[in-house]
Amino acid sequence: NAGVTQTPKFQVLKTGQSMTLQCAQDMNHEYMSWYRQDPGMGLRLIHYSVGAGITDQGEVPNGYNVSRSTTEDFPLRLLSAAPSQTSVYFCASSATGASTDTQYFGPGTRLTVL
Amino acid sequence: AQKITQTQPGMFVQEKEAVTLDCTYDTSDPSYGLFWYKQPSSGEMIFLIYQGSYDQQNATEGRYSLNFQKARKSANLVISASQLGDSAMYFCAIRLVVSGSARQLTFGSGTQLTVLP
Repeated sequence: NAGVTQTPKFQVLKTGQSMTLQCAQDMNHEYMSWYRQDPGMGLRLIHYSVGAGITDQGEVPNGYNVSRSTTEDFPLRLLSAAPSQTSVYFCASSATGASTDTQYFGPGTRLTVL
Repeated sequence: AQKITQTQPGMFVQEKEAVTLDCTYDTSDPSYGLFWYKQPSSGEMIFLIYQGSYDQQNATEGRYSLNFQKARKSANLVISASQLGDSAMYFCAIRLVVSGSARQLTFGSGTQLTVLP
């Protein structure tokens, strides 16, 4: 199993550009989520999904869209990139949404917005 | 407000010694999960250990153990026999019900551990 995969690993955008960060998992997990990590801080939840076709906002959703058309994939879209979105983005998944379920993280995408 | 606190921004430990990383949390929910993750300089988030709020015994995973004191709302990570490869940032996190099927994982600010030879 590859676990949770993310592409790309690095990306540089100009202000106003759009892009999609890809996330896929091969563990048949129902619950997937996106976090951002800013320097010197822990991770903050952007969006999450409890199953295909169901998504909801986390702590810092502004400027991001998500969709979940399949169990495996959970892409994150930046509609109009801003320098404030410079961060490291992590995708995570867990078997279910239970509080006791461990979330497993992808390797991260380092995004720079100029 | 539900939150998680790590009061040690940085810690040093001598190789082969044990070290305790502190974590306290604040929630009134009876059901929650406590997690520790390791983030080395390469950037990935590595799951280390988990403790459920209803678990009676402290969790252990190899050299990692979790000192869970529910009444004090603390979940300290103990690393025994430290190795140079343990040098990394360590995050404590709590997973709580937000609403309905929503479960949010909230992270502390992290502790940077440096193991000295």
